[in-house]
Amino acid sequence: SAVISQKPSRDICQRGTSLTIQCQVDSQVTMMFWYRQQPGQSLTLIATANQGSEATYESGFVIDKFPISRPNLTFSTLTVSNMSPEDSSIYLCSVTGTQDSGANVLTFGAGSRLTVL
Amino acid sequence: AQSVAQPEDQVNVAEGNPLTVKCTYSVSGNPYLFWYVQYPNRGLQFLLKYITGDNLVKGSYGFEAEFNKSQTSFHLKKPSALVSDSALYFCAVRLYNFNKFYFGSGTKLNVKP
Repeated sequence: SAVISQKPSRDICQRGTSLTIQCQVDSQVTMMFWYRQQPGQSLTLIATANQGSEATYESGFVIDKFPISRPNLTFSTLTVSNMSPEDSSIYLCSVTGTQDSGANVLTFGAGSRLTVL
Repeated sequence: AQSVAQPEDQVNVAEGNPLTVKCTYSVSGNPYLFWYVQYPNRGLQFLLKYITGDNLVKGSYGFEAEFNKSQTSFHLKKPSALVSDSALYFCAVRLYNFNKFYFGSGTKLNVKP
């Protein structure tokens, strides 16, 4: 399965600032997703990162708050803009592979733990 | 709407005893079902999946799960629990023709020595 590197692994940020999280995959993948895991809660899908076009956002998430880039098949970024303490969460990058290499399994990065003061 | 339910927030079991972590689902179509485990300060790791075929699937670390279509369940089981199995377990479902995964709320498994 793909190996995903996320950075930063954790950060402490001030209210009103923005932070960009990077996700690098060691192989080309079909689908890339960004999830949020708030403290003590399950995973919520933020958006699907589409290569070469605008991301597809889930209900409750908007591009102005969570801009996403995906310039190629191995890299994506998620920015958390104008942060507030409610944005304190773990942000997880995840991917599914190509058709012949585990397309049905979602593989996760280790996550980026964000604390907003 | 698609959904996954994990009715137990926490499961406590003694080391060496069998364990079961419950999962039920609701989807409008044929489901693909998954179990993931999350250790403290780590990302989610894939344990096992049901796509088609045998209802009993075996996965990593001695875990297995049984797909029950009539009860719309996919319970995770292990014959003999280890202390190192203590972690947070998530059930997930996706439709066969759709890439979106839906996750349950998670069950914390505590295995006591």
